[in-house]
Amino acid sequence: AQSVTQLDSQVPVFEEAPVELRCNYSSSVSVYLFWYVQYPNQGLQLLLKYLSGSTLVKGINGFEAEFNKSQTSFHLRKPSVHISDTAEYFCAVSLTGANNLFFGTGTRLTVIP
Amino acid sequence: DTEVTQTPKHLVMGMTNKKSLKCEQHMGHRAMYWYKQKAKKPPELMFVYSYEKLSINESVPSRFSPECPNSSLLNLHLHALQPEDSALYLCASSQGGTESYEQYFGPGTRLTVT
Repeated sequence: AQSVTQLDSQVPVFEEAPVELRCNYSSSVSVYLFWYVQYPNQGLQLLLKYLSGSTLVKGINGFEAEFNKSQTSFHLRKPSVHISDTAEYFCAVSLTGANNLFFGTGTRLTVIP
Repeated sequence: DTEVTQTPKHLVMGMTNKKSLKCEQHMGHRAMYWYKQKAKKPPELMFVYSYEKLSINESVPSRFSPECPNSSLLNLHLHALQPEDSALYLCASSQGGTESYEQYFGPGTRLTVT
């Protein structure tokens, strides 16, 4: 079985400071990894994805994430956050060749002016 | 164009009403999904259609009835709902087949059952 853990339910950070949102997964088979962002009263928007290849992936809005197979992690980072980054962030995995997405419980990022 | 559209944006219905949610995509995707999302929770998968056939039903009560009239459209028919069914209903689509990769989500329909 596969699962996704986002240990931090809430992360407050000051504007222009760096941020890291943590995601760990467990799976006995190969997975694809994703980060989605959800702004208030909106759907989910894909930030970035890891399918294969380079373990450092860059996404939209200045975000990047690093896949670490040995630590089964896929942490999301941004060197300098803006007020507009305040949102809910979901890490998700899918098994290669499968339609299902398994979501973590989400991390609420709040950027403080 | 990576847009998935959903109508209506908001819906209020009584427990005896029948209503439908609609989802549309024009990306040529062959897999479409319905999710239910409660406040401060991740989306929960309800149904998956692959090549217009229902491939996954996550033990959803029969008061929710999905329909896929063609590869671009996905409906969710609602009947005799309960107040606990109030939630954000999200539609998503993906390429389909054995390499679905990422899912693209619509903005959702905010459903309130009174």
